[in-house]
Amino acid sequence: EVQLVQSGAEVKKSGESLKISCKGSGYNFINHWIGWVRQMPGKGLEWMGIIYPVDSDTRYSPSFRGQVTISVDKSVSTAYVQWRSLKASDTAKYYCARPFVAPNGNWVDAFDIWGQGTMVRVSS
Amino acid sequence: SYELTQPPSVSVSPGQTAGITCSGDALTKQYAYWYQQKPGQAPVLLIYKDSERPSGIPERFSGSSSGTTATLTISGVQAEDEADYYCQSSDTSGIWVFGGGTKMTVL
Repeated sequence: EVQLVQSGAEVKKSGESLKISCKGSGYNFINHWIGWVRQMPGKGLEWMGIIYPVDSDTRYSPSFRGQVTISVDKSVSTAYVQWRSLKASDTAKYYCARPFVAPNGNWVDAFDIWGQGTMVRVSS
Repeated sequence: SYELTQPPSVSVSPGQTAGITCSGDALTKQYAYWYQQKPGQAPVLLIYKDSERPSGIPERFSGSSSGTTATLTISGVQAEDEADYYCQSSDTSGIWVFGGGTKMTVL
């Protein structure tokens, strides 16, 4: 079964650093992009960025470029998003997700496999 | 970057047809995708490439796109369809964006 399993909830203070993870299993991890999506409490989905494990090619939303770093460790089939200095406004649920592979075998620019989400709470 | 605009909410009676729109200039050149999200759950992909349904998605969910507007249509709405719905698209540089989401209430 294809799965993305994310690390557990975090409670941090403003100014602290954080790295959350997303481990893929049940498929060839390095051959599929992995993306991150933020959902602030009671709000909508926001696309943060996406990374290709083969070469770490990374695309960031302009809203998140410079605010977070997306990375991957192929050896453990895990993607990460990290913050150097958290803000209270980073309080949100963060999902990792894998793009959909259509029946013709082509990737599609949409996510069909999602992690369970990691809740990050940052207090000021 | 670009934006996708959705109505904040729609209401529909059971058995009726609901339409949720998504507007954005990028949609003239890029595909629209649609997700359903229920409280406390991760989103589910309903429609890809404007009108295709992934395996396992009921036929009552359909999509279309014309000009700058994409539409998700839910035929024969059921109580279980009450959820938030998001459109999404991408640009030619590989940046994706979600619409603001539409909360659908089944009366």
